[in-house]
Amino acid sequence: QQPVQSPQAVILREGEDAVINCSSSKALYSVHWYRQKHGEAPVFLMILLKGGEQMRHEKISASFNEKKQQSSLYLTASQLSYSGTYFCGTETGSYDMRFGAGTRLTVKP
Amino acid sequence: DTGVSQNPRHKITKRGQNVTFRCDPISEHNRLYWYRQTLGQGPEFLTYFQNEAQLEKSRLLSDRFSAERPKGSFSTLEIQRTEQGDSAMYLCASSSTGQGPYGYTFGSGTRLTVV
Repeated sequence: QQPVQSPQAVILREGEDAVINCSSSKALYSVHWYRQKHGEAPVFLMILLKGGEQMRHEKISASFNEKKQQSSLYLTASQLSYSGTYFCGTETGSYDMRFGAGTRLTVKP
Repeated sequence: DTGVSQNPRHKITKRGQNVTFRCDPISEHNRLYWYRQTLGQGPEFLTYFQNEAQLEKSRLLSDRFSAERPKGSFSTLEIQRTEQGDSAMYLCASSSTGQGPYGYTFGSGTRLTVV
């Protein structure tokens, strides 16, 4: 079952922060985060495991609340290069990752 | 390592024709996935291989779709009797096993247009 992402779109000024949320109705084994730029393939950012630690990739970090089956992606001091569509992918343990519909992030100068 | 390679990059076909796409994963990756993505949507799971074994296939996939991964290396995805609704980007991804878990590495995709 597909996870639900929010918001659908975010517009930021360079240097501002943003939070993207991902929630599932199923018990999750892991949550992945990917960024996709227009016309390109999704690129892996980080993975969060059940019982694992909060992860970080440069100034992007993420958390996973196992009780609520929710994950959040935190983008700090956003840069122009952060623009793109962010997808969360969720696994229930059988390597059948399902992706959310995506959050389109636009960072303006 | 050249990453995940998909061919062709673009395919235009007439409705009713069969098409076949190829994916060459990262050589040391034993897991291979096929996804379909339409404009403004996230990738939609189609099927998953571990080595040569097809372990899962989406129930959304009709019998017109078939995938193979002979010898656990490259994979092919065939669509028979294409329909206009099949128009989409078809993405292949691979990942490793071992002490992971690992993220997926996606190919650049094959864009299918059915006219």
